[in-house]
Amino acid sequence: DAGVTQSPTHLIKTRGQHVTLRCSPISGHKSVSWYQQVLGQGPQFIFQYYEKEERGRGNFPDRFSARQFPNYSSELNVNALLLGDSALYLCASSWSGGGEQFFGPGTRLTVL
Amino acid sequence: AQSVTQLDSQVPVFEEAPVELRCNYSSSVSVYLFWYVQYPNQGLQLLLKYLSGSTLVESINGFEAEFNKSQTSFHLRKPSVHISDTAEYFCAVSYNFNKFYFGSGTKLNVKP
Repeated sequence: DAGVTQSPTHLIKTRGQHVTLRCSPISGHKSVSWYQQVLGQGPQFIFQYYEKEERGRGNFPDRFSARQFPNYSSELNVNALLLGDSALYLCASSWSGGGEQFFGPGTRLTVL
Repeated sequence: AQSVTQLDSQVPVFEEAPVELRCNYSSSVSVYLFWYVQYPNQGLQLLLKYLSGSTLVESINGFEAEFNKSQTSFHLRKPSVHISDTAEYFCAVSYNFNKFYFGSGTKLNVKP
């Protein structure tokens, strides 16, 4: 079975631009969470979605938004990119949001 | 707000020696606790978790962690490490499965 997939794997943007990152959960999983991992730090929680509804939100500005589609895939959108948004963005899926989360390989975003 | 502290950013240890990776959290309510491992060039994988019941939890590859409520700790231990245990280890907590908080990680370097 395929694990959590994320696209693209790498992305380079300039300040002020907008970016969309995509995540496909493991088949049957209904919950998707997004994390930001800055180099040298642990993952920081951004959002959790379950059955297309937002269930949790971390301490991130409104420039960050997400949504979940009927097939349970998800998009993370970041507007007005800043240099500090450069990070590895991780997606994790789970059956219902509780218990074990399965992580994807991440999208490396570089903002110049 | 919850926070997770991993006191050691790097732990060097010789093969077959015991190791302890420390994790402390701050929370006034009941929490769920997790250890994740990230091998070089791979994604995050769940190593073990404490949800309820016995305070000592074990993984399939010989690691164990003990939940200590009075000391708000969830230290990870292994009596004899192998070269293949070289990885970065992350402690995480959640109190409702809607938000997860990760520590900054501990890099375990097992030397021959």
